[in-house]
Amino acid sequence: AQSVTQLDSQVPVFEEAPVELRCNYSSSVSVYLFWYVQYPNQGLQLLLKYLSGSTLVKGINGFEAEFNKSQTSFHLRKPSVHISDTAEYFCAVSRMDSSYKLIFGSGTRLLVRP
Amino acid sequence: NAGVTQTPKFRVLKTGQSMTLLCAQDMNHEYMYWYRQDPGMGLRLIHYSVGEGTTAKGEVPDGYNVSRLKKQNFLLGLESAAPSQTSVYFCASSYRREVEFFGPGTRLTVL
Repeated sequence: AQSVTQLDSQVPVFEEAPVELRCNYSSSVSVYLFWYVQYPNQGLQLLLKYLSGSTLVKGINGFEAEFNKSQTSFHLRKPSVHISDTAEYFCAVSRMDSSYKLIFGSGTRLLVRP
Repeated sequence: NAGVTQTPKFRVLKTGQSMTLLCAQDMNHEYMYWYRQDPGMGLRLIHYSVGEGTTAKGEVPDGYNVSRLKKQNFLLGLESAAPSQTSVYFCASSYRREVEFFGPGTRLTVL
């Protein structure tokens, strides 16, 4: 079975500072990896995904993530955050042979302060 | 193009009552899903469908039933609601690999 761990439940950061949201996964088979963002009182929106190829993945809103197979990690980064990035971020994993069945982490709340 | 829509947005039930949540998508997607979101637990898959007329169980299917009679609709039913089913329910759909489109959610409270 697959599992996802987001160690940080909340990450406070000042505006224009860099941020990294950590995600580690566990799986005995090859997986696809995703990051989603949820703004207050809204549904989830796909930020970026790793399916294959380059381990550095660029997404929307200036976010990027790097797939590290040896460390089973998929950390999300942004070099300079804005107030509008305040939201909950979810890491998710799926098996390659049943890629539509997502397993989500518990989420990390990013709080950007002025 | 409305994307994924959910009805209703909010609902309060008493223990033992039944209800149906409706999800509709206008993108001709084959795959549709129902998730529940609880504090500190992320989203968990309840049931999913890989096409019209098919459904399958996810992580937490107990207490729920689903139907996909039309490709664009995916219904989630609670036959006898329990307080443990208080949650926010999200429907989603996808063309193939990744679940990209989520609905706005239904906030359900069971008293």
